[in-house]
Amino acid sequence: DTEVTQTPKHLVMGMTNKKSLKCEQHMGHRAMYWYKQKAKKPPELMFVYSYEKLSINESVPSRFSPECPNSSLLNLHLHALQPEDSALYLCASSRLVSSGGDNEQFFGPGTRLTVL
Amino acid sequence: AQRVTQPEKLLSVFKGAPVELKCNYSYSGSPELFWYVQYSRQRLQLLLRHISRESIKGFTADLNKGETSFHLKKPFAQEEDSAMYYCALRKAGANNLFFGTGTRLTVIP
Repeated sequence: DTEVTQTPKHLVMGMTNKKSLKCEQHMGHRAMYWYKQKAKKPPELMFVYSYEKLSINESVPSRFSPECPNSSLLNLHLHALQPEDSALYLCASSRLVSSGGDNEQFFGPGTRLTVL
Repeated sequence: AQRVTQPEKLLSVFKGAPVELKCNYSYSGSPELFWYVQYSRQRLQLLLRHISRESIKGFTADLNKGETSFHLKKPFAQEEDSAMYYCALRKAGANNLFFGTGTRLTVIP
């Protein structure tokens, strides 16, 4: 299995809702990432997990809360979002650079989030 | 700090014509450079990376450290090359990528 899967594909939520985005990979990758992509913009890094531990938080507001329950799963918990948080949220995974070998990042199809 | 610049937001070429998508970077260390592509309704995927020095789908890219560039080239564009192309940089020892602003390539039949 060489795919990163993300659920749901689309999500519409109100500003008071709590929701979660899910990402899964079974390639044995120990680095996982969340990116945010606004329309006609490049992906912007949000979080990096290495060995299931948060290694990078790019000053993301606390209304976004990542979680890596095991080496195959990555969640992004959402609470009290703002309309400007509407975007495509991409998950990616890769081997760690420190482990050597091919460290290509594989991307999921994304979750299209709309905050009303 | 690192920076990746793609000066052209949009690029249109005729089928069979050569195409060059420009990418310049700034980084004080030794980066890894990549080209990612996103075809319509498909996920972002790696096209090629500078360390491989390979040709993928007829595309090549050479890292020019003197000019800090990593331009993507193809001698004869095909309609199926129409897509969004992102140049990306990875700092030495890091795992994450920094993306340029992207160039939308349209190949006119």
